[in-house]
Amino acid sequence: QVLLQESGPRLVKPSQTLSLTCNVSGVSLNLVPFHWNWIRQLPGKGLEWIGYIHYDGRTHYNPSFESRVDMSIDTSKNHFSLRLGSATAADTATYFCARDNYRGNFPYFDFWGPGALVTVSS
Amino acid sequence: SYVLSQPPSVSVAPGQTAYVSCAGDNLQTRSVHWYRQRAGQAPVLVVYENSRRPSGIPERISGAKSGNTATLTISRVEAGDEADYHCQVWDATPDHRVFGGGTKLTVL
Repeated sequence: QVLLQESGPRLVKPSQTLSLTCNVSGVSLNLVPFHWNWIRQLPGKGLEWIGYIHYDGRTHYNPSFESRVDMSIDTSKNHFSLRLGSATAADTATYFCARDNYRGNFPYFDFWGPGALVTVSS
Repeated sequence: SYVLSQPPSVSVAPGQTAYVSCAGDNLQTRSVHWYRQRAGQAPVLVVYENSRRPSGIPERISGAKSGNTATLTISRVEAGDEADYHCQVWDATPDHRVFGGGTKLTVL
């Protein structure tokens, strides 16, 4: 059974870095054809893709975040992480980690974490 | 950047059929995926590659596509179907994942 679980501070001060880790169990991060993604949802809004990381460390980000996002992966611990710099109140959202499956060449998200509500406030 | 458009809300009585649409340019060349998100929960994949269902998703939930519009159909609607439904595609250039704005399905 594939399980993802977000962890990290739920309260971040403005201008600081929002950091979350996604712990994965039931599957190795080394497997293909999967990417490991971060997606967020502003309160009462739709889903917004932030970016993904591959098991070999390759990343691909949404241009809306590219200047201040960094993702990393630790296959020995089977987790991957998100860092979003220069946080503002507009980054207050629920952050989901999710696996995308590109076996059929059209990636879709087949497993999600429960989400972590992160509030940016002083 | 690529845009997917969904109606903000759809309402249906129990036992009836709900239709949730998702429109985008050249959608006929793309594969559409659908997610159900109940209140306070993470999204769950209900349809992938336009019309395929993951294991555990009932047959009364189906997907189809015609031209530039994809439609998620939920037959014999139940109270438990009340949720937000999001469509998603892959934008090959530049390898982005794109979501529609989501549709809130209300069961009357």
